[in-house]
Amino acid sequence: VQLQQSGPGLVKPSQTLSLTCAISGDSVSGNTGAWNWIRQSPTRGLEWLGRTYYRSKWFYDYTLSMKSRITINPDTSKNQFSLQLNSVTPEDTAVYYCARDGPGNWFDPWGQGTLVTVSS
Amino acid sequence: EVVMTQSPATLSLSPGERATLSCRASQSVSSSLAWYQQKPGQAPRLLIYGASARATGLPARFSGSGSGTEFTLTISSLESEDFAVYYCQQYNNWPRTFGQGTKVEIK
Repeated sequence: VQLQQSGPGLVKPSQTLSLTCAISGDSVSGNTGAWNWIRQSPTRGLEWLGRTYYRSKWFYDYTLSMKSRITINPDTSKNQFSLQLNSVTPEDTAVYYCARDGPGNWFDPWGQGTLVTVSS
Repeated sequence: EVVMTQSPATLSLSPGERATLSCRASQSVSSSLAWYQQKPGQAPRLLIYGASARATGLPARFSGSGSGTEFTLTISSLESEDFAVYYCQQYNNWPRTFGQGTKVEIK
């Protein structure tokens, strides 16, 4: 399984951060995997943001602190999933990673990471 | 949420020495504990899951132990490629949480 991230590295305050994670070697709608977004910053360390997975229907889990601002969506036609984070502030500046968690719920593999800077 | 605390923050050792890294959970996470290695500019890489199971291809010099709230990652004899930052992560409770990391640096 390999994950390839894409998306802009600079977002203006109050705008929406959008990233995509393309999957190879697995299916976003497979019944054993879940597709996560995690971010890393010097101040907050590694922070799990949320995930989506398919078990006869789509499920979504988000960290409580960001639930009002975050959306993770699967795209079955392109076998990928995306992250949208609304109303960003400089505190959302971080390296964002996508990652798979399987039946065991640990994260493996990870995407290569995308540094997103929130600045005007 | 479960707070994961790693110690020490930095470990200064020489190649060939033994490294012992600790991770403590604020409440029991059973054996739902993973360890990751991260090198500069790279994503974290899974080393250990289930507290003690080695990821595919991981050298035997890496071992994990513990359960409940106390966990240890041991590198029996440091190789040059092992100098990196190591993170623990619990997956017993939501949200999934990580420790702040231990940096293993060359002495």
